[in-house]
Parts: sequence; structure tokens; C-alpha cells
Amino acid sequence: EVQLVESGGGLVQPGRSLKLSCAASGFTFSNYYMAWVRQAPTKGLEWVASITNSGGSTYYRDSVKGRFTISRDNAKSTLYLQMDSLRSEDTATYYCTRDLFDYWGQGVMVTVSS
Amino acid sequence: DIQMTQSPSSMSVSLGDTVTITCRASQDVGIYVNWFQQKPGKSPRRMIYRATNLADGVPSRFSGSRSGSDYSLTISSLESEDVADYHCLQYDEYPPTFGGGTKLELK
Repeated sequence: EVQLVESGGGLVQPGRSLKLSCAASGFTFSNYYMAWVRQAPTKGLEWVASITNSGGSTYYRDSVKGRFTISRDNAKSTLYLQMDSLRSEDTATYYCTRDLFDYWGQGVMVTVSS
Repeated sequence: DIQMTQSPSSMSVSLGDTVTITCRASQDVGIYVNWFQQKPGKSPRRMIYRATNLADGVPSRFSGSRSGSDYSLTISSLESEDVADYHCLQYDEYPPTFGGGTKLELK
């Protein structure tokens, strides 16, 4: 059974950093591109970033370029999202998903507020 | 970026209705459209992939179709468990983009 379990969310002040993790199981992690998708409270879904299966290439939405870094550790079957210089508009539930968007984690809440 | 214009944004429905939700792509995205169902406090669930394919475990009352740049999700004989938010997604090219969502509410 495919499982994606996010962790690392919480309340953080504007300008500070947070690192999300996503532990994957039930499939060969190193074979799949992975992605982060977020959803602000009462809003729609928004793709944030993707990474190729090897980690050699990454893609970001414009609003997070230069602030967020997606990475992975295939030996640990874990996906990461390093979020720096956080802004109030980054407040959202963050979901880890396979880049086919077929399996999703349960989501982790990130609140950016002073 | 490719825009996915989803309509309607909300819909008042009755059990047994046939419901159709549409997304219009601003440029060609081929078959690379997914549809998701999302219930309050839950993760999105993929219902349709590659525009017309039913995902594993999804009831056959759900179907996806394409006409040019218009993509539709149809729910036949709506059941209470189908009342949820629905989202379309194009993943033909980066950045993947979602529609604005459709909220189904019972009359």
C-alpha cells in the first residue's frame, strides 16, 4: 500500500524557515518524480514544486523560486521542502504527492504569522 | 502558464442528479488532465486520469470526457458520498495548474 506521510509543519514567524519532510513507502520511491502541492485555507490547490526521480532537476512555481528548495533522499525514501523567507501568503496545508498526482499524503499545516 | 477555467464554482444538487463540471484549458494540454475529489479536512483523491480514465476504486458513475480544450467530469445518479469539492488539473507542462474548484452542495 502506497503511503506518504508529511511532517514538520507548524507556526513560524514571517522571514523564518521551516523544513517539511515526506516519508514514502509501498512503492519504489527512486522511480518516481515527486511534488509538493499546497492549499491555503478555503482556497484551491496550488502546485509548489517538483523533483525528478534522481533529484537532478527541480521545478518551482514563480512565487517560491529562490525561497523554497525541494530535495529528496532516495536511500531514505524521503522527500523534503526547505522553506526560507516565509511570508504570510505561504500559509497553507502542504501535501506531498507523486508527480502523477495519484497518491497524496494527509497534508501538514504551515502557518506564517507573527 | 496554462489557465484551467473551471465552472461552475459551486452547484446546488439533489441526490440522483447527473452533475457535470467543466474545465477549459487556455492552450492545448492533450489528454493530461486529472480530476480530484476532496472532502473537508481530507486530501484530494484522484478520480479521473488522462482525461477519461477511471482511477482504481472509483465508482463507475464517475466519468471524464474531452471536447477540444474543454474537459468534463460527470457524476451520474449523484449519491450523498459524492458531495464534495472537485478540482481539475493539467499536467501537460510545467507549471501544473489546477482549476479553481467546484463545490457541490445539497439542496
